[in-house]
Amino acid sequence: RKEVEQDPGPFNVPEGATVAFNCTYSNSASQSFFWYRQDCRKEPKLLMSVYSSGNEDGRFTAQLNRASQYISLLIRDSKLSDSATYLCVVTFGAGNNRKLIWGLGTSLAVNP
Amino acid sequence: EPEVTQTPSHQVTQMGQEVILRCVPISNHLYFYWYRQILGQKVEFLVSFYNNEISEKSEIFDDQFSVERPDGSNFTLKIRSTKLEDSAMYFCASTRQASGEKLFFGSGTQLSVL
Repeated sequence: RKEVEQDPGPFNVPEGATVAFNCTYSNSASQSFFWYRQDCRKEPKLLMSVYSSGNEDGRFTAQLNRASQYISLLIRDSKLSDSATYLCVVTFGAGNNRKLIWGLGTSLAVNP
Repeated sequence: EPEVTQTPSHQVTQMGQEVILRCVPISNHLYFYWYRQILGQKVEFLVSFYNNEISEKSEIFDDQFSVERPDGSNFTLKIRSTKLEDSAMYFCASTRQASGEKLFFGSGTQLSVL
């Protein structure tokens, strides 16, 4: 099983649709979870952290399920500008031993 | 917002040549990283650097790779003898704390080895 696994997509959705991505991780000792967004041939940028209680930022909602070892990202009322690759990042370890494990990313295309 | 700066944005080189990729991390950040991303593949960790020494490196970071922080601002990645498979986008990143949530990435250097 891969350390971090994402459905690569692509997800093609119309504007205004709701779309959800899942990401599974294999290391039960994983501590922190993030969603990054990456536009084509650009650098990754932090979209949001994922907390056990779940968190919401506008149209974006992130959830963590430790028991099943997955995190999710829900995008409501999708916009054309949401078209990008969404990268799941999982960390374990602490301090200088902290490791970030990146998923391959899920590609989203929002169509007019 | 402060930025991580990388130069050049594109680098074309011949196989076997040495290249140096340059990065200026955010000034009050203490932890520095190099990542690479081959076209269509995932972001791969190369090396982390703290307190003027490598704190961790991946299997990719072999003897052909080295990093330096020659002064208080620059952080460089050197590839001594480039191979075709080194062609990738190389991202520099920095963060203030090792446990910091947010990695700040530079815009990357696209390296093409011919």
